[in-house]
Amino acid sequence: GAVVSQHPSWVICKSGTSVKIECRSLDFQATTMFWYRQFPKQSLMLMATSNEGSKATYEQGVEKDKFLINHASLTLSTLTVTSAHPEDSSFYICSARGRAGGWKTQYFGPGTRLLVL
Amino acid sequence: KNEVEQSPQNLTAQEGEFITINCSYSVGISALHWLQQHPGGGIVSLFMLSSGKKKHGRLIATINIQEKHSSLHITASHPRDSAVYICAVISPYSGGGADGLTFGKGTHLIIQP
Repeated sequence: GAVVSQHPSWVICKSGTSVKIECRSLDFQATTMFWYRQFPKQSLMLMATSNEGSKATYEQGVEKDKFLINHASLTLSTLTVTSAHPEDSSFYICSARGRAGGWKTQYFGPGTRLLVL
Repeated sequence: KNEVEQSPQNLTAQEGEFITINCSYSVGISALHWLQQHPGGGIVSLFMLSSGKKKHGRLIATINIQEKHSSLHITASHPRDSAVYICAVISPYSGGGADGLTFGKGTHLIIQP
């Protein structure tokens, strides 16, 4: 099946620094990528949807200036958490959708665990 | 906004038991996913359904569009099935973005040997 990777798998940073998380579709072209966030013992929540070559669409309550999303190619999307604070500590998961499985199928990355000290 | 409810929240069973996890949603959908999340956090998509029933190995997923309900069944359960099982739906205007998923809170399943 289609494979989606994320890098890094975990990151610890100081408050105020910026962290970039990469999401790659390894064997298919991802026309759309989704970024989700999951706090402990809670559901995943969609943060934003990005289509290749266009600006991301953010969900209500998600600050677009804080969570910068770039989807510059059909295989790579990046999420940058700018000026991270302890409350941004969470599990960030991307998923990708493309021609691999039809428009309804999303393939998930393994996630990135962020801890902001 | 689509509300996705799963039951039970937690389930502990003995190896070999037949397991059923239920998912109900409030608004019409175009598709429903069953996902498996292991303790490390990674998510695996088990099924995507828009109607009827699908089977893969010991896993069976059914959906009733009219009743807005889906079930995930595990036959001959095994300790390695222990994980969080998440129901997620795609529907327009669900609050899940244009095509983003709206997730249930998950069912924590533990299968004891």
